[in-house]
Amino acid sequence: DSGVTQTPKHLITATGQRVTLRCSPRSGDLSVYWYQQSLDQGLQFLIQYYNGEERAKGNILERFSAQQFPDLHSELNLSSLELGDSALYFCASSDRDEKLFFGSGTQLSVL
Amino acid sequence: EDQVTQSPEALRLQEGESSSLNCSYTVSGLRGLFWYRQDPGKGPEFLFTLYSAGEEKEKERLKATLTKKESFLHITAPKPEDSATYLCALSRSARQLTFGSGTQLTVLP
Repeated sequence: DSGVTQTPKHLITATGQRVTLRCSPRSGDLSVYWYQQSLDQGLQFLIQYYNGEERAKGNILERFSAQQFPDLHSELNLSSLELGDSALYFCASSDRDEKLFFGSGTQLSVL
Repeated sequence: EDQVTQSPEALRLQEGESSSLNCSYTVSGLRGLFWYRQDPGKGPEFLFTLYSAGEEKEKERLKATLTKKESFLHITAPKPEDSATYLCALSRSARQLTFGSGTQLTVLP
């Protein structure tokens, strides 16, 4: 168990809808990262937050947004969903040695 | 642009048959080279970080090495429980990892 908690585990929705994925980092970790994993693209970095502030952006679509709250949990919001957004979404937090600890992921299926 | 290429895409070994996985990379200013293991339906699990050419790290049956252009993950006398996808990733800026597509390892009893 990495200590990173993601909910829900599975999410099935329709095109055009909006969903929210939730992540609680390991106790004491201030950074949260979001990654998307699909069969054709592999693991892609989306966005990083550190202590409530956005730190870095990767290949995140404008339809996607994230935030980190004062209690350090984070939410990834995906809107106007398309079939191609179907993927595994991982959250990770990191320690001082730069190791990333990943959650078990949210499997999103857009029908 | 940072690039990470892993080979082979898939590898099947008999239990006890040692082999190596390759990760070749191009990056300006490598901060670290990471190896992760991922089991089906789970998140990647950290294995090693390598920072400079010539560095080696070992954990049980796994040994990771690093040169200026590639990294190898050597698996000695693998067991079926070593079956997983092994991911290589590089870091150029703080903790933003660029992942390779992985090598799916199957160890047959």
